[in-house]
Amino acid sequence: GENVEQHPSTLSVQEGDSAVIKCTYSDSASNYFPWYKQELGKRPQLIIDIRSNVGEKKDQRIAVTLNKTAKHFSLHITETQPEDSAVYFCAASVGAYKYIFGTGTRLKVLA
Amino acid sequence: GAGVSQSPRYKVAKRGQDVALRCDPISGHVSLFWYQQALGQGPEFLTYFQNEAQLDKSGLPSDRFFAERPEGSVSTLKIQRTQQEDSAVYLCASTSAGGPYEQYFGPGTRLTVT
Repeated sequence: GENVEQHPSTLSVQEGDSAVIKCTYSDSASNYFPWYKQELGKRPQLIIDIRSNVGEKKDQRIAVTLNKTAKHFSLHITETQPEDSAVYFCAASVGAYKYIFGTGTRLKVLA
Repeated sequence: GAGVSQSPRYKVAKRGQDVALRCDPISGHVSLFWYQQALGQGPEFLTYFQNEAQLDKSGLPSDRFFAERPEGSVSTLKIQRTQQEDSAVYLCASTSAGGPYEQYFGPGTRLTVT
């Protein structure tokens, strides 16, 4: 079946450094790739998304890149801050409406 | 406007009890999803509604799970004869579009079965 692999499972960076989280997906028909941030005990919040007709999208300190040929997409956070500490989930669309989520990356930004 | 809301936020049930979890989507959102999130894992799809029609229930883990959205707005996820393995956070999400785009999540209901 369809799946999404996400790496690393945990990531610690010093404040001000960059963080990169990578995902691969299996369904070549996937055309929408959202990223969610989930703080402890809170709801997942959409932070950025990309559609398959675009290779890169940026929003302030956050960017997402997509390589359709390799079925890879990545989240890049620059100039990390302590409030960026959370669990990040990637997802890939499957069919007309579903998402398949990755297993999450726990990001710790050390002050 | 108001986001997706869910109630109760926490539910403790004894094994064998029935529970009902409620989701109020964003007003006017056509599509509604239920997910199950186990500790340390990503959300897993349970079921999908477009208005009042349940178009996909392929993720429901057993026939003890039942979801409805009779008027195309509020939805209820019911779990009968709860088991310990049902313990998880149940998330609801809605979107205005008919496709997979921009799902907005509720805060979830944390179900603990003892």
